[in-house]
Parts: sequence; C-alpha cells; structure tokens
Amino acid sequence: EVQLVESGGALVQPGGSLRLSCAASGFTFSSFEMNWVRQAPGKGLEWVSFIGTTGSTTYYADSVEGRFTISRDNAKNSLYLQMNSLRVEDTAVYYCARERASGSPLDYWGQGTLVTVSS
Amino acid sequence: EIVVTQSPVTLSVSPGERVTLSCRASQSVSSHLAWYQQKPGQAPRLLIYGASTRATGIPARFVGSGSGTEFTLTISSLQSEDLAVYYCQQYNKWPMYTFGQGTKLEIK
Repeated sequence: EVQLVESGGALVQPGGSLRLSCAASGFTFSSFEMNWVRQAPGKGLEWVSFIGTTGSTTYYADSVEGRFTISRDNAKNSLYLQMNSLRVEDTAVYYCARERASGSPLDYWGQGTLVTVSS
Repeated sequence: EIVVTQSPVTLSVSPGERVTLSCRASQSVSSHLAWYQQKPGQAPRLLIYGASTRATGIPARFVGSGSGTEFTLTISSLQSEDLAVYYCQQYNKWPMYTFGQGTKLEIK
C-alpha cells in the first residue's frame, strides 16, 4: 500500500525557517517524481514545488522561488521541503504528492502537515 | 501562467441527481486535465486524468469529458459520499500545475 506521511509542521514567526519531511513507503520511491502542494485555511490547492527522481531537477512556484528548497533522499525514501524567510501568507497545510508518471497528475497524497506563520 | 476557472463555486444537490461541474482553461491544455475530490479533513484524491480516464478504483458514475479549454465532470447519480469539493487541474504546462478554485457540492 502506497503511503506518504508528512511531518515537521509547526507554528513559526514571520522570517523564520522550517523543514518539512515526507516519508514514503509501499512503492519504489526512487522511480517517482514528487511534489509539494499547499492549501491555505479554507482555500484551494496551490502547487509549490517539483523534484525529479534523482533530485537534480527542481521547479518552484513564483510565490516561493528563492525561499523554499525541495530535496530528496532516495536511500531513506524521504522528501523534504526547507522553508526559509517564511511569511504569513505561507500559512497552509502542506501535502507531499506522487506523480502517477512523468508529466502526469498526482495520484497519491499524504495527509498533510500544518504550517502556521504568525507572530 | 494558465488560469483554470471552475463553475459553479457551490452546487446544492440531492442524492440520485445528475451533477455537472465545469472547468475552463485560459489557453488550450489539450487533454492534460485532471479532476480531484477532497472531502473535509482529507487529502485530495485523483478521480480523472487525461480529461476522461478514471483513476484506479474510481466508480463508473464519475465521467470526465472535454479537450482544449472546456472540460466537464459529470456524476451520473449522486451518492451521499460524493459530497465534497472538486478541483480540476491542468498539467499541460507540467510541472507548473495550476488548479481551479474548486466546486463545493452541498446537500439541497
């Protein structure tokens, strides 16, 4: 059974940093491209970042470019999102999600982890 | 950026009804359009990809159609467990995914 379990969400002050993790199981993690998607409270879905299978290819939404860094450790079946210079508008549930195939939509999602940016 | 717009924002429906949700892209996305279902407190679930292909385990009452800029998700006979928010997503400009704002199905 495919499982994605996020962790690391917390309350952080504006300007602070946080690192999210996503533990994957039930599939060959190193063969799948991965993404982070977020959802502000009561709002819709916003794509945040993509990483290729080896970690050498990454993309970011304009809203987080230069502040967030996506990475992965295939030996540990884990995905990460390093978030720096956090802003109030980064407050959201962050989901890790697997791509069904390269260039395809997201077929498995974790349960999400809440990041709250507030003073 | 490809803007994706869904209508209506909210739809009040009764079990057994046929339901049609719409999704429009600001430019052609070919058939690179997916639909997701999100129930309260849960993660989104992939329903449809390639505009019309049901994902694994999705009931046949969910039917996707369209291409280019106009897409539709039809639920042939609404079940109570289908009450949720539905999002469409373009992946033509992969991986710069964009989602619609969602359509919420409520009980009439």
